[in-house]
Amino acid sequence: QVQLVESGGGLVKPGGSLRLSCATSGFTFRDYYMSWIRQAPGKGLEWVSYISNGGSSTYYADSVKGRFTISRDNAENSLYLQMNSLRADDTAVYYCATDERGFDSWGQGTLVTVSS
Amino acid sequence: EIVLSQSPGTLSLSPGERATLSCRASQSLSSSYLAWYQQKPGQAPRLLIYGASSRATGIPDRFSGSGSGTDFTLTISRLEPEDFAVYYCQQYGYSPRTFGQGTKVEIK
Repeated sequence: QVQLVESGGGLVKPGGSLRLSCATSGFTFRDYYMSWIRQAPGKGLEWVSYISNGGSSTYYADSVKGRFTISRDNAENSLYLQMNSLRADDTAVYYCATDERGFDSWGQGTLVTVSS
Repeated sequence: EIVLSQSPGTLSLSPGERATLSCRASQSLSSSYLAWYQQKPGQAPRLLIYGASSRATGIPDRFSGSGSGTDFTLTISRLEPEDFAVYYCQQYGYSPRTFGQGTKVEIK
């Protein structure tokens, strides 16, 4: 069955960096656009970024543009999110999801906390 | 950016009742690229409806979606105890993808 497993979250100081990973299985990863979506504590869902199936096209929310970079390794069936210049308002659970007909399948999320 | 406005913010209903949730877009959505999600506490969201009216795999037929253009509706025909949750609409026809703010369906 389809599985997406995020990792790499944790506590980081403002201005710091983290790299999130999303390991996938159970589907043909290279055929799918992929997205990162986040949810701040007690808040709603916010789409962060997507990447095309081949990796040539990316798009970012204005809130993260210039600070976050999405990438993928189709040979490893993995998705990544490099997060730099982190701020307190980046604190959230970060989910990876397949991006086809809406967000079809989701991981369980990884918590990123930005605090001094 | 397309803004999605969901109403009501909270819906208080009893099991067995019908739930009607609304999602209004700030501009017309191309090809009805509108999805609905259910989220329970501590869990990832689950896709219920895509293309405004198509049920995702494994979703019970008590969930139905309708609408086009700027006005969309999620209907739960008879609420089951496991349906009390937060529901989000989302558009995927334009970048950036955007979500509504959510409607909480709570037990009355």
